[in-house]
Amino acid sequence: QKEVEQNSGPLSVPEGAIASLNCTYSDRGSQSFFWYRQYSGKSPELIMFIYSNGDKEDGRFTAQLNKASQYVSLLIRDSQPSDSATYLCAGTNAGGTSYGKLTFGQGTILTVHP
Amino acid sequence: GAVVSQHPSRVICKSGTSVKIECRSLDFQATTMFWYRQFPKQSLMLMATSNEGSKATYEQGVEKDKFLINHASLTLSTLTVTSAHPEDSSFYICSARAPKGRFEKLFFGSGTQLSVL
Repeated sequence: QKEVEQNSGPLSVPEGAIASLNCTYSDRGSQSFFWYRQYSGKSPELIMFIYSNGDKEDGRFTAQLNKASQYVSLLIRDSQPSDSATYLCAGTNAGGTSYGKLTFGQGTILTVHP
Repeated sequence: GAVVSQHPSRVICKSGTSVKIECRSLDFQATTMFWYRQFPKQSLMLMATSNEGSKATYEQGVEKDKFLINHASLTLSTLTVTSAHPEDSSFYICSARAPKGRFEKLFFGSGTQLSVL
């Protein structure tokens, strides 16, 4: 079983809709989670990070973490064609020397069509 | 601007040659850097953890003699792919951990696309 799993998609939503991306993890030692956006041939860019149960909002993006269910999600409101990319979920231990050692999911390809 | 600089961005080499990739933290000291590899249409896989002044820690299945990591200063880590072969062709990405980090302080380099002919 992969440590971090995502729906590989592709996920296609119309412009202006809400895109919902999901991620589950198996390692309970993972405490901090990150959502990255990656365009083809480019390095990942951080969208959100979350380490507390509940919701965290930043502009059009909302990350949700449920540690009991080992579930992380990312909602993108008012989706734009420029949001079309691969979204990577990653987890890491909370602190110490392991912090920053990311385990990535396989990524979800999102397409926002006009 | 970029806080982690990675060079070169793209390299094409012949089979059997060695390639060095640099990862520099520009405005902070990074005692720990990470090296990832990404094959086409796949996710990032951690190769090794680079620790300043000590030996790198490699993930299972990564050949330490093939992927040499040197973290000789607090701002520079290098990955050398020795005797590169076509199967080493991949996108290599480094990340740096800012000291005493708030949780978000992980910064990625821009990546290096390696093509081995």
